[in-house]
Amino acid sequence: KQEVTQIPAALSVPEGENLVLNCSFTDSAIYNLQWFRQDPGKGLTSLLLIQSSQREQTSGRLNASLDKSSGRSTLYIAASQPGDSATYLCAVNAGGTSYGKLTFGQGTILTVHP
Amino acid sequence: DTGVSQDPRHKITKRGQNVTFRCDPISEHNRLYWYRQTLGQGPEFLTYFQNEAQLEKSRLLSDRFSAERPKGSFSTLEIQRTEQGDSAMYLCASSLLEKLFFGSGTQLSVL
Repeated sequence: KQEVTQIPAALSVPEGENLVLNCSFTDSAIYNLQWFRQDPGKGLTSLLLIQSSQREQTSGRLNASLDKSSGRSTLYIAASQPGDSATYLCAVNAGGTSYGKLTFGQGTILTVHP
Repeated sequence: DTGVSQDPRHKITKRGQNVTFRCDPISEHNRLYWYRQTLGQGPEFLTYFQNEAQLEKSRLLSDRFSAERPKGSFSTLEIQRTEQGDSAMYLCASSLLEKLFFGSGTQLSVL
């Protein structure tokens, strides 16, 4: 059974810092991995999707890497801003007959203070 | 651009009552998903439709839960004889390819 773990559970940083969020998964047979952002009481917004054959994806100040063999992904946020404060979730997709089923980590709660 | 729409946003019910939630996906998306999220946890997969066919159901979906997607458009999730343990945020998502687009969810509180 796939298990996804995110470290740290919570992170508080001053504005302007670069930071790294970590995600690990137990079964390396994944189809893709996605990073999502969730604001309190709201749904999820997809930030980056990395296919299993890719090593990284970038969007603006965000960069996500994937090391499938070691079961790890990182989300790097450059020059953090108070508006980045949210919960960040990673999710793996096994593909195949389980194509629609994402397995999520429990999230990292990020607070960026001015 | 209309995203995924869920109704209602909040539902408070008494234990033992039935509740029904609705999800309207992005119009061209053929895949629709239901997830459940409790406080401090990531979402857990419940079920998945491709067009009107329900292709996968989680073991979390007991026989009190039923989901439908008539004509491959909107979907409904019904919970019969609600229990306090059903209290959670119920999230719907849709996709055309791999990227999922989530709605804002329905927050269910069972008293």
